[in-house]
Amino acid sequence: GAGVSQSPRYKVAKRGQDVALRCDPISGHVSLFWYQQALGQGPEFLTYFQNEAQLDKSGLPSDRFFAERPEGSVSTLKIQRTQQEDSAVYLCASSQTGGVSEAFFGQGTRLTVV
Amino acid sequence: AQSVAQPEDQVNVAEGNPLTVKCTYSVSGNPYLFWYVQYPNRGLQFLLKYITGDNLVKGSYGFEAEFNKSQTSFHLKKPSALVSDSALYFCAVRDMASSGTYKYIFGTGTRLKVLA
Repeated sequence: GAGVSQSPRYKVAKRGQDVALRCDPISGHVSLFWYQQALGQGPEFLTYFQNEAQLDKSGLPSDRFFAERPEGSVSTLKIQRTQQEDSAVYLCASSQTGGVSEAFFGQGTRLTVV
Repeated sequence: AQSVAQPEDQVNVAEGNPLTVKCTYSVSGNPYLFWYVQYPNRGLQFLLKYITGDNLVKGSYGFEAEFNKSQTSFHLKKPSALVSDSALYFCAVRDMASSGTYKYIFGTGTRLKVLA
């Protein structure tokens, strides 16, 4: 596709519910990132994939958060047993390679946990 | 650890005046620096990057940024501001130090308000 696509755009979850957020990166992009952005704040790194390999998951806030990219393209971020503090915008980004390439961001999924 | 700082939460400028949004960085090794802009309810849009070479980098929408190694700064500039430039601006550094990750580390953001 022309850009990074994320779905759904908005998600309201009841506390304790599991959610799955999808990211379709730009075709051919090797690197894929997930970020969490609180209102009015900068994006905070969650995890990084190079093709299907998850090379860095140091930013995942708890073991309730899980990400996968099984075929090196589409990625899913899953949050189990959602809590109110999980409410945020989740941004996905992709870039051609590691190193000096810029990342292209999707529009994000706004998650509200009630 | 790599980091960037944006010392101003908000910058106000009159339309037609030059604008500057400040960013300082702290890196080990060569800095790879980026500016992104975010409009309401949108993702981040890439503006420009510094990898190596000329200290003045030109980017999208008439923006440019000046890399200053001695002051460890990478300020975003535009000669003549437009009301439509009003948005949230993020400086970022790419973390090349950690093996295999290359994650982007973002500043806290600066809200730019251009007044008509």
